Amino acid sequence: GIQVEQSPPDLILQEGANSTLRCNFSDSVNNLQWFHQNPWGQLINLFYIPSGTKQNGRLSATTVATERYSLLYISSSQTTDSGVYFCAVGMGRGNEKLTFGTGTRLTIIP
Amino acid sequence: SQTIHQWPATLVQPVGSPLSLECTVEGTSNPNLYWYRQAAGRGLQLLFYSVGIGQISSEVPQNLSASRPQDRQFILSSKKLLLSDSGFYLCAWSSGSRNSPLHFGNGTRLTVT
Repeated sequence: GIQVEQSPPDLILQEGANSTLRCNFSDSVNNLQWFHQNPWGQLINLFYIPSGTKQNGRLSATTVATERYSLLYISSSQTTDSGVYFCAVGMGRGNEKLTFGTGTRLTIIP
Repeated sequence: SQTIHQWPATLVQPVGSPLSLECTVEGTSNPNLYWYRQAAGRGLQLLFYSVGIGQISSEVPQNLSASRPQDRQFILSSKKLLLSDSGFYLCAWSSGSRNSPLHFGNGTRLTVT
């Protein structure tokens, strides 16, 4: 099956810093999503981005499908950004066969 | 707008007891529905998914089963819980169309003692 690697596994930053999270995958994908899991366990969908670039406020994501990676950028970090960030990929356009990475744990220090 | 409800939020059950977790979606019709489990650590494992009433696909053979008695209701069950069933269970939904993002409920933290 498809392999998904996220880096770094852990990241600790001061409030206000910027960060870049990376997701590498081993095969061509038609489905790539980024999620944020807050400290209470709630998983929020951030982006559906199998290719190209999207922005939502302080967050943006870029997927370079031909080179099999995606980046999630967080600017001007806030303590509420803390949690685990997952990418999930799939070869089909549906969500039935998504493979999740093991996540990047982000801790923002006030 | 669409919302997903999952309950209970936490559950402590003895080994050998039955389990029933319920998930409902509002504000959409004919959604695809999913049950995931997240063990201690980070990985999310797909357990079951359903594209319609009575249609269940199992991804991992184990002690659990799922049912979809109504269009927007998805139930995860077990007849006899094992210690290894402990974990964080998440229900999710997406539209039946392509390129549809996945949305999760708040999860149920199950501890089997």
